[in-house]
Amino acid sequence: NAGVTQTPKFQVLKTGQSMTLQCAQDMNHEYMSWYRQDPGMGLRLIHYSVGAGITDQGEVPNGYNVSRSTTEDFPLRLLSAAPSQTSVYFCASSYGGRGANVLTFGAGSRLTVL
Amino acid sequence: AQTVTQSQPEMSVQEAETVTLSCTYDTSENNYYLFWYKQPPSRQMILVIRQEAYKQQNATENRFSVNFQKAAKSFSLKISDSQLGDTAMYFCAFMNLNNDMRFGAGTRLTVKP
Repeated sequence: NAGVTQTPKFQVLKTGQSMTLQCAQDMNHEYMSWYRQDPGMGLRLIHYSVGAGITDQGEVPNGYNVSRSTTEDFPLRLLSAAPSQTSVYFCASSYGGRGANVLTFGAGSRLTVL
Repeated sequence: AQTVTQSQPEMSVQEAETVTLSCTYDTSENNYYLFWYKQPPSRQMILVIRQEAYKQQNATENRFSVNFQKAAKSFSLKISDSQLGDTAMYFCAFMNLNNDMRFGAGTRLTVKP
């Protein structure tokens, strides 16, 4: 059982570069979401999706884009990376949103922007 | 906007004893969900326990239980018979019916042998 798979696990970027963090789940989950975790802070919601073709903004969406063309995949794009985006990123999914179902988290992706 | 506050950045407990982690939240909504997640050094986020706001009965999961006080907007986690494997960061989280999920800053718990 793969669960939620995030790639890459580690990435170093230079300011202004673009990249995509990949997230894939094989559980047929409708709800998928992205979070960032910074030192001394809990996870903060960046974007989420309640199904294919539907995305919405979370608490800290600026500087990030998402799309949901399939149920399985929910990539997070940084179009022009900034040092403030240095963080650990987590993807999570569940059968439905609204807290009714348990989130399954990926292992995290550590991003450093120089 | 919802906020979640964990006022104890660090706590420690002796093995086999009981410890309570505090969490308060602020919301104007009536229906929502509350969670406690554990994050060990492996960085994996693990659900410890979940509470539906419309249920008055406190949730329990083996050695873990919560004290949910809806009027006070308080959601504390009690860990009984603490084990060395309980050493981790613990995050309190809130999710409303619009999928807006907020986490507290975390409490670092150390279980001492």
